[in-house]
Amino acid sequence: AQKVTQAQTEISVVEKEDVTLDCVYETRDTTYYLFWYKQPPSGELVFLIRRNSFDEQNEISGRYSWNFQKSTSSFNFTITASQVVDSAVYFCALSEAGEYGNKLVFGAGTILRVKS
Amino acid sequence: DTGVSQDPRHKITKRGQNVTFRCDPISEHNRLYWYRQTLGQGPEFLTYFQNEAQLEKSRLLSDRFSAERPKGSFSTLEIQRTEQGDSAMYLCASSLVGLAVNQETQYFGPGTRLLVL
Repeated sequence: AQKVTQAQTEISVVEKEDVTLDCVYETRDTTYYLFWYKQPPSGELVFLIRRNSFDEQNEISGRYSWNFQKSTSSFNFTITASQVVDSAVYFCALSEAGEYGNKLVFGAGTILRVKS
Repeated sequence: DTGVSQDPRHKITKRGQNVTFRCDPISEHNRLYWYRQTLGQGPEFLTYFQNEAQLEKSRLLSDRFSAERPKGSFSTLEIQRTEQGDSAMYLCASSLVGLAVNQETQYFGPGTRLLVL
């Protein structure tokens, strides 16, 4: 069965610090997709990134970067020079290539608090 | 704004009452998903539509829950005889899937927060 573990329940940093959010996943499938979503206090889940299992290239987008390592089943997310606006709950999610759709399995989320 | 919209945003009801939520997906998105999120947890899959066809339901979706997407556009989720355990955030997501199934990304609405007293 699919499972996503986000071991860090809550992280507090001071503005401008770098912070890494961990994500470990379990799946038996060879084709799967990994996602990160941000959930600000307003409640709406905001899509950040999708990574396919056959693409292990790391990605950088502005202050955000993602490290995908199949050998350790991890898909970690780093925010460089954090800002107060980064404060939110961050979810890692996994989906397998299903015949009828790609339902997402989410981790429990990591609360990030960035203090000024 | 052409994102996913949900109505109402908040609903307070008494135990035993029926409630209905609506989701309007992004225009022309052919897939629509419903998830439930309880406090301190990640969203959990409930059900999914490909156009108007409901193709998968989670075991979380008891007989008191029913979802429809009659014309392949908006969707409704109804909960009958609500229980206190139904209190949660109900999230809707939509996606557009064509030939490149591996490029599917789900975009979420703001959710409907349900409180059953």
